[in-house]
Amino acid sequence: NAGVTQTPKFRVLKTGQSMTLLCAQDMNHEYMYWYRQDPGMGLRLIHYSVGEGTTAKGEVPDGYNVSRLKKQNFLLGLESAAPSQTSVYFCASRFGLAQRDTQYFGPGTRLTVL
Amino acid sequence: GQNIDQPTEMTATEGAIVQINCTYQTSGFNGLFWYQQHAGEAPTFLSYNVLDGLEEKGRFSSFLSRSKGYSYLLLKELQMKDSASYLCAVRVNDYKLSFGAGTTVTVRA
Repeated sequence: NAGVTQTPKFRVLKTGQSMTLLCAQDMNHEYMYWYRQDPGMGLRLIHYSVGEGTTAKGEVPDGYNVSRLKKQNFLLGLESAAPSQTSVYFCASRFGLAQRDTQYFGPGTRLTVL
Repeated sequence: GQNIDQPTEMTATEGAIVQINCTYQTSGFNGLFWYQQHAGEAPTFLSYNVLDGLEEKGRFSSFLSRSKGYSYLLLKELQMKDSASYLCAVRVNDYKLSFGAGTTVTVRA
């Protein structure tokens, strides 16, 4: 049981390049989330999904796209990377809607855009 | 928008007690979570409060007052391994958590 995994762990991009971050969970969780974490700003929600085939915008969605074609995977895409997207990206998943259900986080992807 | 405030940094001595306060003003409230995050690692769940009062879990306790929009995390018998960031998060609806910026706790010998 690997929990939530993310690939890659580190990446350096040049401005304008594109990339996809992969999040996978093996806990049969329904809900999945992408956050970015920047110094002094806490975790901010980019996009989330409430089930296979669904996606929704969070508080900072501009410049990112997502897809959830399979229940266990949630992909985050950057079509044209900008230096402002330099950040640590965390994926999280949650089993269901019970109040006590917490989010489980992946190990993070450290992205630098030059 | 959501407003969740917590101190930026706190320092305490090994064996002591530290209390991390969190105040919130959010569009909705469906529970409050505390997470621990060691440097370079993922956040991990510590505690959850949805009703007023104290929840105790070993050396860690969390308190909630919904009428005051206030919570605290109490860390007792501090150990060096407790040096980390502590994140306060409010579930603002069925799906979303809104996070504070985190409090970095440094434990000194």
